[in-house]
Amino acid sequence: EPEVTQTPSHQVTQMGQEVILRCVPISNHLYFYWYRQILGQKVEFLVSFYNNEISEKSEIFDDQFSVERPDGSNFTLKIRSTKLEDSAMYFCASGGTLIAKNIQYFGAGTRLSVL
Amino acid sequence: AQSVTQPDIHITVSEGASLELRCNYSYGATPYLFWYVQSPGQGLQLLLKYFSGDTLVQGIKGFEAEFKRSQSSFNLRKPSVHWSDAAEYFCAVGAGAAGNKLTFGGGTRVLVKP
Repeated sequence: EPEVTQTPSHQVTQMGQEVILRCVPISNHLYFYWYRQILGQKVEFLVSFYNNEISEKSEIFDDQFSVERPDGSNFTLKIRSTKLEDSAMYFCASGGTLIAKNIQYFGAGTRLSVL
Repeated sequence: AQSVTQPDIHITVSEGASLELRCNYSYGATPYLFWYVQSPGQGLQLLLKYFSGDTLVQGIKGFEAEFKRSQSSFNLRKPSVHWSDAAEYFCAVGAGAAGNKLTFGGGTRVLVKP
């Protein structure tokens, strides 16, 4: 069964460093998403991406964040200068096909630890 | 703004007993409702969804959920839990358009006693 894959599973970085979280969405999906879950808090929407551009973003998704689909298969989330409060589990999701327009499928997540 | 409340943070249930997880939502239009499950070290797996039609929906792993518009609820049930059902369960609401964000509840962690 096709699945969303995320790498790495755990990323440790120093405050102020740039990180790139990678995702390979399910191949025939059209919409791509990033969510995050800070420990003990709700899963929060960050951004959705369609047709090579951002379709919606939350207040959390400020200028420090960017997304890219560089090669038609990968979907990346970049944080330019990490802060301690960026420590969270980051989930990638994909969805939106002719058959299952509204369903999002999630990866296993990348745990980001900012020290 | 849409929101989801899961009133129970933890639930402990004996193996073989029934399980019900509560979910209340706030949404201005017809909601699209989802239940996801997260086992330790795993991603969010879709259990079931409600878009329209029959208000009792069946999902994977023997789960079902009932949409009650009058109560703004979408409670998840399973008649007889298995030890493998120990996990965290998330209710989510979306607007229904492709590409629309999901808003999640805080989750309910289910512990299963032997």
